[in-house]
Amino acid sequence: EAGVVQSPRYKIIEKKQPVAFWCNPISGHNTLYWYLQNLGQGPELLIRYENEEAVDDSQLPKDRFSAERLKGVDSTLKIQPAELGDSAVYLCASSPPWRTGNTIYFGEGSWLTVV
Amino acid sequence: AQSVTQPDIHITVSEGASLELRCNYSYGATPYLFWYVQSPGQGLQLLLKYFSGDTLVQGIKGFEAEFKRSQSSFNLRKPSVHWSDAAEYFCAVGLISGNTGKLIFGQGTTLQVKP
Repeated sequence: EAGVVQSPRYKIIEKKQPVAFWCNPISGHNTLYWYLQNLGQGPELLIRYENEEAVDDSQLPKDRFSAERLKGVDSTLKIQPAELGDSAVYLCASSPPWRTGNTIYFGEGSWLTVV
Repeated sequence: AQSVTQPDIHITVSEGASLELRCNYSYGATPYLFWYVQSPGQGLQLLLKYFSGDTLVQGIKGFEAEFKRSQSSFNLRKPSVHWSDAAEYFCAVGLISGNTGKLIFGQGTTLQVKP
């Protein structure tokens, strides 16, 4: 079974430019997450989707960040315009409907450098 | 508010020595607890999880963790460390809301293994 797939793995852009990250979750997983991981820190939730609905986006900086999950499968996270402080790893994760014993599975991350 | 504290930012052990990584959590209800490992340039891999039942849980790669409710702790242990265990380790608490959940992570502990 394929894991969570993210692209691009690495991206270098100039500040004020836009950037987008794509995530394909594990088949059958209805919940999708985007986490932000700054260097030397633990991941922090940006947004959580249940199917197509964003059920938790309180930590998403909505002035420059946007996300969508069309058809409840793939998701895209966009930053426009990017700032130097956005340099970080953007992790996508997915999980099936939550029951005791479920696990959240992570992709390998999209590493963003803003110069 | 829910939180996870990993008191040790960096730990160095000799290969073959035993290991214990500390994790303390703050959560009002019965917690769901996780340990993830992240190798350089990689995403997060689940080592083990605790949902209920036996407070000593076994994971992959020879790791185990013990849930101690009285101490609000979920420390990770390994009897004999291998050089390949050098990585970043994250403890997390799972928050459940309806049929979905999310993870709150600690700041991580970097493990260095001396030959």
